[in-house]
Amino acid sequence: GAVVSQHPSRVICKSGTSVKIECRSLDFQATTMFWYRQFPKQSLMLMATSNEGSKATYEQGVEKDKFLINHASLTLSTLTVTSAHPEDSSFYICSAPVGGENGYTFGSGTRLTVV
Amino acid sequence: EDQVTQSPEALRLQEGESSSLNCSYTVSGLRGLFWYRQDPGKGPEFLFTLYSAGEEKEKERLKATLTKKESFLHITAPKPEDSATYLCAVQANSGYSTLTFGKGTMLLVSP
Repeated sequence: GAVVSQHPSRVICKSGTSVKIECRSLDFQATTMFWYRQFPKQSLMLMATSNEGSKATYEQGVEKDKFLINHASLTLSTLTVTSAHPEDSSFYICSAPVGGENGYTFGSGTRLTVV
Repeated sequence: EDQVTQSPEALRLQEGESSSLNCSYTVSGLRGLFWYRQDPGKGPEFLFTLYSAGEEKEKERLKATLTKKESFLHITAPKPEDSATYLCAVQANSGYSTLTFGKGTMLLVSP
């Protein structure tokens, strides 16, 4: 089945630094990638939608300059958390539509801890 | 605005004790209702998609049903390996539509 590989699975960074999260579609071309954030005991909240070759679309309340999204190829989308702060600590998950009944495939998630 | 409410928030069962999880939703035209399983520190894993009221789908010990207002995930004779958080999500029937998730039900099955 369609697989999205997400890296890293865990990252700890110092406040003020930047962190890049990668999602690669392994056996299909992902023209669209969704980026979610999940706080403990909360639902997955959509942050932004990236489309290959064009600017990402951000959800209301999500800072474009803080969460930089790049989707330069059909198999790679990246999310960079710039100038990270402790409140950015969360679980970040990417997802791509795969069509058919499965609908979407999800990456394995990245646990970001900002200290 | 699309909304998904899942109940209970947490459920503890003994092995073999059947139960049901609820997902209530409001959406401006349903394209699909999705059930996912999420293990700690992992991304969601697809279970079922339901498209119209009256539809039912089964997979091993799980059975999902759908009405116009809610969906149930029935777990028959659960095993400890069924312990996970179960997420419900809806997709609206509009041109540009993403998934709206509930907060999930955390299921713990004790041996």
